[in-house]
Amino acid sequence: AQSVTQLDSHVSVSEGTPVLLRCNYSSSYSPSLFWYVQHPNKGLQLLLKYTSAATLVKGINGFEAEFKKSETSFHLTKPSAHMSDAAEYFCVVSELSGGGADGLTFGKGTHLIIQP
Amino acid sequence: DTGVSQDPRHKITKRGQNVTFRCDPISEHNRLYWYRQTLGQGPEFLTYFQNEAQLEKSRLLSDRFSAERPKGSFSTLEIQRTEQGDSAMYLCASSLGWTSGTNEQFFGPGTRLTVL
Repeated sequence: AQSVTQLDSHVSVSEGTPVLLRCNYSSSYSPSLFWYVQHPNKGLQLLLKYTSAATLVKGINGFEAEFKKSETSFHLTKPSAHMSDAAEYFCVVSELSGGGADGLTFGKGTHLIIQP
Repeated sequence: DTGVSQDPRHKITKRGQNVTFRCDPISEHNRLYWYRQTLGQGPEFLTYFQNEAQLEKSRLLSDRFSAERPKGSFSTLEIQRTEQGDSAMYLCASSLGWTSGTNEQFFGPGTRLTVL
């Protein structure tokens, strides 16, 4: 079974400062991991994905995430926050299990607030 | 626009009525997924299709929920005898499945259901 825990329900940073959104996962198989962003009244947009090709993954809009198997973590970072980054962020796991449910498992989300 | 589309975007209904939502996936995607997202939560996987075959439906919330994809293209999600607790955003996603390496899913804008 797979699960995702987003460790912070809300994160508030000042514009221009670094962003860290924390995610831990549990998976019985080799997982694929994703970060999605959801702006108010907008659809879910893929930020980045981990596919086992590289542990440091770069995504859109300056975001990146590092896969750490020993820590079962996939934290999302950005060096410098921008006002437009204010949104809900979801850490997501999917695993190739050879059968059964094939949907994505979402964390509960982290609401990122950017202070001017 | 070649993304995932959903119709309607908003639906208001009275308790006890039946509702049906439509999803049109990205044309070359053989997999189609339905999720439900309630306020303050991440999306919750409901069911999915590979072409016209519904491969997982145990996650559907009750026997009032059903989904079809009769020709392997668009899909419909029906909720019979709606209840106030069914009020949520219903999301559709499509993918190429694991042939893409990650089962990356592309989401539509969602249908927001309000049951009065």
